[in-house]
Amino acid sequence: DIQMTQSPSSLSASVGDRVTITCRASQPISNYLNWYQYKPGNAPKLLIYAASTLESEVPSRFSGSGSGTDFTLTISSLQPDDFATYYCQQTSINPPFNFGPGTKVEV
Amino acid sequence: QVQLVQSGGGVVQPGGSLRLSCVASGMTFHTKGMHWVRLAPGKGLEWVSHIRFDGSSESYVDSVKGRFTVSRDNSKNTLYLDLNSLRPEDTAIYFCAKEVTYAYYDAFDLWGQGTAVAVSS
Repeated sequence: DIQMTQSPSSLSASVGDRVTITCRASQPISNYLNWYQYKPGNAPKLLIYAASTLESEVPSRFSGSGSGTDFTLTISSLQPDDFATYYCQQTSINPPFNFGPGTKVEV
Repeated sequence: QVQLVQSGGGVVQPGGSLRLSCVASGMTFHTKGMHWVRLAPGKGLEWVSHIRFDGSSESYVDSVKGRFTVSRDNSKNTLYLDLNSLRPEDTAIYFCAKEVTYAYYDAFDLWGQGTAVAVSS
């Protein structure tokens, strides 16, 4: 199975900050990498698929990059609604469609 | 309105059973692969199970193989997850999720609201 890791596990940031989250796969997955946002009490929300393609209606301050084993999610200017936990997920070899352990973005 | 509405869940003793349901509306359910994902307290998202659009194939994470069974009734636009031989470590919020394929890239683009399962004596 492909294992996913993320760093950092949590970070503190302020509104307006640029935030970068890293995700690493245990073996190359090309660009079969998704990013989700999760807030407690809500359903997870798909932000980015294919490593860098923004899902419909997701704000353009979110961007993704990477290929192979190393990926990043960037929030260019953090907004109050962005405080949440972010997960990467690989869909290269399926199943299992493993998620990373998450990165909590907090004030 | 395109949505997934979940039901089932609750508190059960170790070794017990539960059935989770996920009803789809506003979509052609019978053409969509479906998944179950869980979120345990203090942990991250964990993919649990997948079923093909026509129910012809299923897959599971190793920790639930032989205990959980995914199924679907396309005539009722409903996805199920039968949880048997439950363990305390199965305690989690369980989400159903719809699979979308964008030119060979799969993702989960629509999620249910989640349903809580607590395994405790």
